[in-house]
Amino acid sequence: DAMVIQNPRYQVTQFGKPVTLSCSQTLNHNVMYWYQQKSSQAPKLLFHYYDKDFNNEADTPDNFQSRRPNTSFCFLDIRSPGLGDAAMYLCATSFRGQGGKNEQFFGPGTRLTVL
Amino acid sequence: DAKTTQPNSMESNEEEPVHLPCNHSTISGTDYIHWYRQLPSQGPEYVIHGLTSNVNNRMASLAIAEDRKSSTLILHRATLRDAAVYYCITQETSGSRLTFGEGTQLTVNP
Repeated sequence: DAMVIQNPRYQVTQFGKPVTLSCSQTLNHNVMYWYQQKSSQAPKLLFHYYDKDFNNEADTPDNFQSRRPNTSFCFLDIRSPGLGDAAMYLCATSFRGQGGKNEQFFGPGTRLTVL
Repeated sequence: DAKTTQPNSMESNEEEPVHLPCNHSTISGTDYIHWYRQLPSQGPEYVIHGLTSNVNNRMASLAIAEDRKSSTLILHRATLRDAAVYYCITQETSGSRLTFGEGTQLTVNP
């Protein structure tokens, strides 16, 4: 089945130690998104790629970076995680094109713990 | 994206219909109305979307007010598996972004 896969499902890192979360998709979608969701809050968009074009949200801290080496993969890099970065990180994809309904497909998320 | 307002929580009984309201009074003429839901410990999933006309799919129905300032998601027969946070989101036609509001926590009682 076509899907959005996130690895790992659970990630523990130390304060200040760089960490990378990964996302892959078999849907061949041209847009990939990263959201941050803290406990009991709604998902918050960090950034997205439309093909190779990177679109950062205005309030996303510089500590968060992303890479999309090809259509299928997208990475979220947190350069120096702080305690406040502990959250669920959700990857999503969509197809943006003529007449498309732009439905987003979400992965199961990676829960990040910062010690 | 236009701001949306939803009740924090709602309760329903199993096998009864549920009407989840959403206000989006600042919606522009070309913004779509999307509904997503998030089950516990899962990523959000698409439920339904519409522009002006009411919409039906296998999961739910979407009723859109004539002035488009509000909409209602209708679950015709709630099941225990429908217990989730339901998000109403407006999306620019030309854009990809979804801006999630606080959502409505739906509890379904057996």
